[in-house]
Amino acid sequence: TQLLEQSPQFLSIQEGENLTVYCNSSSVFSSLQWYRQEPGEGPVLLVTVVTGGEVKKLKRLTFQFGDARKDSSLHITAAQPGDTGLYLCAGVGGTYKYIFGTGTRLKVLA
Amino acid sequence: DSGVTQTPKHLITATGQRVTLRCSPRSGDLSVYWYQQSLDQGLQFLIQYYNGEERAKGNILERFSAQQFPDLHSELNLSSLELGDSALYFCASSGGQAGGYYEQYFGPGTRLTVT
Repeated sequence: TQLLEQSPQFLSIQEGENLTVYCNSSSVFSSLQWYRQEPGEGPVLLVTVVTGGEVKKLKRLTFQFGDARKDSSLHITAAQPGDTGLYLCAGVGGTYKYIFGTGTRLKVLA
Repeated sequence: DSGVTQTPKHLITATGQRVTLRCSPRSGDLSVYWYQQSLDQGLQFLIQYYNGEERAKGNILERFSAQQFPDLHSELNLSSLELGDSALYFCASSGGQAGGYYEQYFGPGTRLTVT
C-alpha cells in the first residue's frame, strides 16, 4: 500500500517567517502534485513535479522532488497570512491511483 | 474557478436514505475522480472513471456506486446512509491520458450531512 506522510501535521508561525513542509513515502511516484485547500473549498493545484531532483518556484513557494521520486518538500519564504490553509501533496501511483498525503495545516499569524 | 461543477452544494438527509451527487468535469477532461473528506481527515480516493469506464477503485464502500455518462458527467450514488457518511465529497477531473502525468482540478464539493 502506498502512503504519503506529511510533516509537520500542524504549523503556526508569524508573518515573515520561513517554513518547510515535507512529504515522504517509501514508494516511487511518477509525478507528485502539491495542493492548497481552504476551509469548505476544493483543493487548488499549486504545482506538479515530475523529474527526480526537480525544483520549481512559484513566487515565494519552492517545491522540490526527491532524486528517487519518493519524497518532496515545499518551502515558503516570508510567509503571509494569505498562505494559511491545508497543504496536501499527492502522488500518482500505479494503476492511475492518486495517493494524497495526510496534510499540513498552516496558520500564519499577522 | 476550476471549471468543475458539483451539485448540490449542500445535502441534508436521514440515515437509511439514498442520495445522488453530480459532477461535470472541465471541458475536454476525460477522467473524473471522486473523493471523500471527513472532518479533519485527508482526502480519501473513492473511484476514477475514464471516458465512461471505471479505471481505478479506492476505499469505496459497497453501499456507494458511481458512473460516468457519455457526456462525461458523473454521478456518485450513496445508499443506506449512515451517520459516518457525513463528509465533504469532492469530484475532480483531469485529461486522464494513459502514462505520463496529469493534474487534477477539483470542484467546490458537496457537503453531505446525515442526521
